[in-house]
Amino acid sequence: AQSVSQHNHHVILSEAASLELGCNYSYGGTVNLFWYVQYPGQHLQLLLKYFSGDPLVKGIKGFEAEFIKSKFSFNLRKPSVQWSDTAEYFCAVNAIGTYKYIFGTGTRLKVLA
Amino acid sequence: NAGVTQTPKFRVLKTGQSMTLLCAQDMNHEYMYWYRQDPGMGLRLIHYSVGEGTTAKGEVPDGYNVSRLKKQNFLLGLESAAPSQTSVYFCASILDRRDRVTEAFFGQGTRLTVV
Repeated sequence: AQSVSQHNHHVILSEAASLELGCNYSYGGTVNLFWYVQYPGQHLQLLLKYFSGDPLVKGIKGFEAEFIKSKFSFNLRKPSVQWSDTAEYFCAVNAIGTYKYIFGTGTRLKVLA
Repeated sequence: NAGVTQTPKFRVLKTGQSMTLLCAQDMNHEYMYWYRQDPGMGLRLIHYSVGEGTTAKGEVPDGYNVSRLKKQNFLLGLESAAPSQTSVYFCASILDRRDRVTEAFFGQGTRLTVV
């Protein structure tokens, strides 16, 4: 069965610091990968997605993620965070050929102004 | 265009009571999902549906039932609520392209407390 691990549960950064959030999945086949963001009191919104092709994908608000197949990883990055990036970030995976859409436990990011 | 609408937004139940959460989407998506969100546990899939009249179990289906009688609606039922079902429930509607799941569109959530 597919599963997703996010090892960083809480991250605190100062504005302008660089961000990298880890995401690892377990599934031997082909997957679609996603990152979602949940701002306080709101529902989840899509940041970016990977289906195939260039393993470096760019999303909204300056976020990007790199798919490394050999490491089963899909880490989220941003070169310079802003106070408004304070939110919870979720990695999600869908194993192709299934309809299950599985989320990680989330990483709560706090950016200090 | 409302997207995904969940009702109610808040509810307090007594142990043993029943209730139904409604999720409605107006995007003509085939796939709909129910998740619960608990602190430190992320979103866990309860049940999902890949089309009208079909449902399937997710990661944590016990204590819940679902129905998808109409394509645009996906109902989540709690027959006998327990305190362990206190959570925030999210419905998602997923765009599928050529039988592949893509972006999930979420409702605003239902905060359920069972006392």
